[in-house]
Amino acid sequence: EVQLLESGGGLEQPGGSLRLSCAASGFTFSSNVMNWVRQAPGKGLEWVSGISGSGVSTYYADSVKGRFTISRDNSKNTLYLQMNSLRAEDTAVYYCARAAIIKGVFDHWGQGTLVTVSS
Amino acid sequence: DIQMTQSPSTLSASVGDRVTITCRASQSINNWLAWYQQKPGKAPKLLIYKASSLESGVPSRFSGSGSGTEFNFTISSLQPDDFATYYCQQYNSYSWTFGQGTKVEIK
Repeated sequence: EVQLLESGGGLEQPGGSLRLSCAASGFTFSSNVMNWVRQAPGKGLEWVSGISGSGVSTYYADSVKGRFTISRDNSKNTLYLQMNSLRAEDTAVYYCARAAIIKGVFDHWGQGTLVTVSS
Repeated sequence: DIQMTQSPSTLSASVGDRVTITCRASQSINNWLAWYQQKPGKAPKLLIYKASSLESGVPSRFSGSGSGTEFNFTISSLQPDDFATYYCQQYNSYSWTFGQGTKVEIK
């Protein structure tokens, strides 16, 4: 059974940093593009970042480019999101999501971790 | 960047109704379009991919159609478990964009 478990969320001040983790199990982690998707309170879904199976290629939404860094450790089956220069508008539930091979869409999601940016 | 415009934003319907949601892309995405269902406090669930392919385990009352820039999502006979928010999503060259969402409410 595919499982994705996020951690690392919490309260951080504007300008601060947080690192999110997503522990994966139940599939060959290095075979899939992995992604972060966020949802601000009461709002819709926003794709944040993605990373190829090897970790060589990374992709970002314009809203986080230059501030967030996605990475993965395939030996630990873990996905990361380093978030720097946090802003109030980064407040959201952050989901880890697996992109299905060939389909390209997100077939498995974690339960989410809440990031709150506030002074 | 490709923008996705989903309508309506809210839809009120009764059990047994046929409901349709529309999603328009700002440029052609061929058929790289997915539909998700999300319930409050839960992660989204994939229902449809490649515009019209039903994800494994998803009931056949859900369907999708369209190509290019205009797409439809239909629930043929609304069930109590279907009251939720639905999102379209495009996939193009390692960039994904969601529509704004459609909340399906009980009439």
